[in-house]
Amino acid sequence: EAQVTQNPRYLITVTGKKLTVTCSQNMNHEYMSWYRQDPGLGLRQIYYSMNVEVTDKGDVPEGYKVSRKEKRNFPLILESPSPNQTSLYFCASRGLGASQETQYFGPGTRLLVL
Amino acid sequence: SQKIEQNSEALNIQEGKTATLTCNYTNYSPAYLQWYRQDPGRGPVFLLLIRENEKEKRKERLKVTFDTTLKQSLFHITASQPADSATYLCAPLSSGSARQLTFGSGTQLTVLP
Repeated sequence: EAQVTQNPRYLITVTGKKLTVTCSQNMNHEYMSWYRQDPGLGLRQIYYSMNVEVTDKGDVPEGYKVSRKEKRNFPLILESPSPNQTSLYFCASRGLGASQETQYFGPGTRLLVL
Repeated sequence: SQKIEQNSEALNIQEGKTATLTCNYTNYSPAYLQWYRQDPGRGPVFLLLIRENEKEKRKERLKVTFDTTLKQSLFHITASQPADSATYLCAPLSSGSARQLTFGSGTQLTVLP
């Protein structure tokens, strides 16, 4: 089954304690990205990656890091989380090319930073 | 700057009627435009994609139009059902090297029984 998985699904942490949210896809997609979703602000892109070792900033990259060492994985790293990073996070992936534009989303990770 | 606007944050309609959702964009020249459905607390799910050279696309009870002159897409759900209640997101996609996918803020549709 084609899917994007994220872990953990729920996370409560404290300010400054480094955390990583993992994302993995099984569709051999080149493109992966991270979004955060906040009430009234919609989905905002944090980072995206066009392929292995190729990453770029989205609209709200401050306070986040990513890496793309393998095609299937795209972890999101918060080196020093702050309360304003409390949000619902989604990982997504899609192929590149005229017939592969469908984007698949993971189930989401709900993060609370105290 | 690029901007995507979806009509009214919430739309209520009666079961059986046609729901029409609007997506307007500015400072974009999208090659494609996608529509997604999102249920509370869940990830968006792809519904339809329409290309710039297509005027209309249909899938079961769904219909999407794309007017590049007006810079607008309309999303229709015919014979609406309470199960269609969700938030619907549009996402224009520009061709080019970056190929970022940016979403509108969504329209929350409620179909009343």
